[in-house]
Amino acid sequence: SAVISQKPSRDICQRGTSLTIQCQVDSQVTMMFWYRQQPGQSLTLIATANQGSEATYESGFVIDKFPISRPNLTFSTLTVSNMSPEDSSIYLCSAGQGSPTDTQYFGPGTRLTVL
Amino acid sequence: GESVGLHLPTLSVQEGDNSIINCAYSNSASDYFIWYKQESGKGPQFIIDIRSNMDKRQGQRVTVLLNKTVKHLSLQIAATQPGDSAVYFCAENISQGAQKLVFGQGTRLTINP
Repeated sequence: SAVISQKPSRDICQRGTSLTIQCQVDSQVTMMFWYRQQPGQSLTLIATANQGSEATYESGFVIDKFPISRPNLTFSTLTVSNMSPEDSSIYLCSAGQGSPTDTQYFGPGTRLTVL
Repeated sequence: GESVGLHLPTLSVQEGDNSIINCAYSNSASDYFIWYKQESGKGPQFIIDIRSNMDKRQGQRVTVLLNKTVKHLSLQIAATQPGDSAVYFCAENISQGAQKLVFGQGTRLTINP
């Protein structure tokens, strides 16, 4: 299984600012994903981070709000741009090897509070 | 749209008893299902998975049952311990050719001493 770390673990930010979250995997993985988990709720997929190309966003999420980078097979970043209190959530990174029957492993999450 | 849901949002069980957490899914084409455990302040932790060509899979103290006829998934935890207290999520992979998970709402399991 992959071991995934995220930075920062938590942050408190002012509205209108941006925060970049980093995700590091301890081994090369084919796929990396970003999820949002609003307080007391389930996980929602934001986008798939593609190495060497633009991320693939799910319905309701756009690149201008959540730009994603994936420069190599072990690292990705998610930026939450122009934040508002509604962006207060846990943001989770996950990784897998790409097959539909491969397990996705998750990082510990980044707890974001926007004031 | 596609969704994965749960029958019970909370479940309390006496320590040592068995627990069953249920999940309904709506995509009959899904062929892979996972149960995750999420403790407070942590990311989801893989517990057990099952492919659609199976109806039962066992791990250490956990069993997953899959009923494709009624699109139902369950997680059984035997001899529950205080460390089993967490939120449990089922997830289904809805893409035939790639990894794309849809998560259920989650069930909070509390183990009473």
